[in-house]
Amino acid sequence: GEDVEQSLFLSVREGDSSVINCTYTDSSSTYLYWYKQEPGAGLQLLTYIFSNMDMKQDQRLTVLLNKKDKHLSLRIADTQTGDSAIYFCAEGLNTGFQKLVFGTGTRLLVSP
Amino acid sequence: GAVVSQHPSRVICKSGTSVKIECRSLDFQATTMFWYRQFPKQSLMLMATSNEGSKATYEQGVEKDKFLINHASLTLSTLTVTSAHPEDSSFYICSARGGGVGPYGYTFGSGTRLTVV
Repeated sequence: GEDVEQSLFLSVREGDSSVINCTYTDSSSTYLYWYKQEPGAGLQLLTYIFSNMDMKQDQRLTVLLNKKDKHLSLRIADTQTGDSAIYFCAEGLNTGFQKLVFGTGTRLLVSP
Repeated sequence: GAVVSQHPSRVICKSGTSVKIECRSLDFQATTMFWYRQFPKQSLMLMATSNEGSKATYEQGVEKDKFLINHASLTLSTLTVTSAHPEDSSFYICSARGGGVGPYGYTFGSGTRLTVV
């Protein structure tokens, strides 16, 4: 079945690193994604990782993938107040439509 | 970059009426459109997938007669909530495949907040 879990809430201070975790169930997923959603808005793609990779770094963002444990994490370095938002991980299923299954979302609050 | 324009952004309607939500892909052709529903403080639940010129594929538990999806052209898909009731109040988001960044180029609309009174 398709089930993607995340912790619900994370609070950090400005300048600290944030780590958002995600577990997924479909081992056949080719890509895994991280999206950001600001209040009342759609989703913005932050980064993605191919399933045969262990790590991907993109400026302040680092994605780690443990395929054996089906665990994905997103690290945001030097977190800023503008990073406050909801973060969703998603797995891309290898179905005919390549649909996305989203995690439960993690609300990140960055305080000054 | 690729843009999906979703309208309206907010709508309030009376119980029993129908509401249409439009998603247009600008500057690219969206052969596949996904429609999601998001409850407050919850994740996005896929409702249906539509391909241009064919019938939509609905996820289990989604009433296809209540949530009518039309994907008549490569740039326009619509979701009509028929005979809306307060429990249909939610945030609806569309996503087009192709044209965006990343694998498969998913591009999301900005969402529609539906309130049924």
